[in-house]
Amino acid sequence: EAGVAQSPRYKIIEKRQSVAFWCNPISGHATLYWYQQILGQGPKLLIQFQNNGVVDDSQLPKDRFSAERLKGVDSTLKIQPAKLEDSAVYLCASSYSGGTPDTQYFGPGTRLTVL
Amino acid sequence: GENVEQHPSTLSVQEGDSAVIKCTYSDSASNYFPWYKQELGKRPQLIIDIRSNVGEKKDQRIAVTLNKTAKHFSLHITETQPEDSAVYFCAARSLGADKLIFGTGTRLQVFP
Repeated sequence: EAGVAQSPRYKIIEKRQSVAFWCNPISGHATLYWYQQILGQGPKLLIQFQNNGVVDDSQLPKDRFSAERLKGVDSTLKIQPAKLEDSAVYLCASSYSGGTPDTQYFGPGTRLTVL
Repeated sequence: GENVEQHPSTLSVQEGDSAVIKCTYSDSASNYFPWYKQELGKRPQLIIDIRSNVGEKKDQRIAVTLNKTAKHFSLHITETQPEDSAVYFCAARSLGADKLIFGTGTRLQVFP
């Protein structure tokens, strides 16, 4: 079974620039999550999709972050404009249904450095 | 909302010794508690999980215990090996919610 795919793996940008990350979940997984992991901390949920609908985006800084999952499969997360404090690893995860405690499988992450 | 605290932040043990990592949670409605292992520069990987209807679960050298009354759960690794060195995260999920709330992580170092 192929795992969660993410790209790019690394990105370096200057503050105020924009950046986009892509995630392709495990085939058949209806639920997709984007997490932000700041160095030395645990992952923090930014947004959760169930198919192509948003379930939870309460921790997403909506003035600069946006995410979509238009066809209910792959997803993109965008930051515009980036700030220094956005430097982190952005992890995508997926699970089968999300309705009951389902295992979340993580992708390799995108390490973002904002200069 | 749910809050998860994890201790210790770092743990050093000699190869062959046991390691214990503890987490406490705030929401008594939480019903699912996974543990993830994250090696440097790699993705978090689930190593064991426990649901609220079970008090203990074991998988070879790894075990997790849950005390619902005290609202804490622990990861036990026996006969540690150098390859167990990594950051371990606990997490909790509340009944009726989908999202996991993660602890701050424990960096485990196993010295040969």
